[in-house]
Amino acid sequence: DVKVTQSSRYLVKRTGEKVFLECVQDMDHENMFWYRQDPGLGLRLIYFSYDVKMKEKGDIPEGYSVSREKKERFSLILESASTNQTSMYLCASSSPLWGDAEAFFGQGTRLTVV
Amino acid sequence: GESVGLHLPTLSVQEGDNSIINCAYSNSASDYFIWYKQESGKGPQFIIDIRSNMDKRQGQRVTVLLNKTVKHLSLQIAATQPGDSAVYFCAETRSTGSGGSNYKLTFGKGTLLTVNP
Repeated sequence: DVKVTQSSRYLVKRTGEKVFLECVQDMDHENMFWYRQDPGLGLRLIYFSYDVKMKEKGDIPEGYSVSREKKERFSLILESASTNQTSMYLCASSSPLWGDAEAFFGQGTRLTVV
Repeated sequence: GESVGLHLPTLSVQEGDNSIINCAYSNSASDYFIWYKQESGKGPQFIIDIRSNMDKRQGQRVTVLLNKTVKHLSLQIAATQPGDSAVYFCAETRSTGSGGSNYKLTFGKGTLLTVNP
């Protein structure tokens, strides 16, 4: 059974803290993605990676960075958390094959910044 | 700008009826589309996909229709059941332009489907 695991379901952090959200996949997928989900806005792409140590900015990268040191792990970093980063964060992975783009999602991490 | 959007944010149907969820996209370069279902407290799950060289694809109780002329995508669910209640997202795939087969998935805002018993 394919699996994308996010390290936390719920997190509460203080403004200004550095926050790490971890994601691990066991499908040997090259591509990994980080989205945030907000009511009325759907899923918005923050960053994605198509190989180890490779990354590309998505649609809303400001305030975030990522790390992909190993193929199976993709970390999202909030350098200095702010209240407008309170959201549901979803990690996904997929095959790199063009036209075979089904992405598998983790359960999500609900982050609250106070 | 480029976007994937939905015509209706909510849809309420009676159990046993057919449901139709619509999606508009604006990027004519997109060539692969996916429908996802997200139940409360869970991550999105793949339902069905379609490539741009097709106009219809059927799965179990679901059908996706693609009209490239008007850049419109729809998901039809036959004999809707209470377990179908969820938020449904359409997503488009397009190349990042960074070469090879690298692409990114862009999602619409979602439609909440409620099935009444």
